[in-house]
Amino acid sequence: DAGITQSPRHKVTETGTPVTLRCHQTENHRYMYWYRQDPGHGLRLIHYSYGVKDTDKGEVSDGYSVSRSKTEDFLLTLESATSSQTSVYFCAISEPKQGALGNEQFFGPGTRLTVL
Amino acid sequence: AQTVTQSQPEMSVQEAETVTLSCTYDTSESNYYLFWYKQPPSRQMILVIRQEAYKQQNATENRFSVNFQKAAKSFSLKISDSQLGDTAMYFCAFMRGTSGSRLTFGEGTQLTVNP
Repeated sequence: DAGITQSPRHKVTETGTPVTLRCHQTENHRYMYWYRQDPGHGLRLIHYSYGVKDTDKGEVSDGYSVSRSKTEDFLLTLESATSSQTSVYFCAISEPKQGALGNEQFFGPGTRLTVL
Repeated sequence: AQTVTQSQPEMSVQEAETVTLSCTYDTSESNYYLFWYKQPPSRQMILVIRQEAYKQQNATENRFSVNFQKAAKSFSLKISDSQLGDTAMYFCAFMRGTSGSRLTFGEGTQLTVNP
């Protein structure tokens, strides 16, 4: 299994508070991603990173920011949490490969966030 | 933009039987990959099978196989000899053939294997 950890695994917070989720990898993969999973929507991309200090927005980026100061860590911050951000958050990593293997993404175990 | 549609929110099958999960997608890309991921109650996302769009041959992985119909933009998953451990949410996903591309997921199909 790919070495990906997420912390915390569960969090309950109140509306208006800041929250930071951490994704840590030991695979030295170049790309890292944050997705959220909600019923009826599958997983949707929030932000992604293609290198240290290089990040870009995904399809549901409003209300979220990210930072990547080291290859191994990708942080997702909710500046002021809202109830609509209650979700399960997944981190994923990938490394570009030549040939037929494609850019398979490996997922972390997920973080369940509840905003009251 | 790409879209992925799974029209079966829930399915059930008897142990040892065969079941097929449907997936359709829409894209204007010519180079892409398609995936099926399994998510058991543990919540871990597990890659089941992958298909490269330029390959005509359908991918197989043990009891799992796909029916890839490129012209119809269809990508179904067949599970043979279903086992209780196959009970999970299954997601179909699309990825452009460019390095670092994001995954676009369908809504998921909850499969229950009954004893």
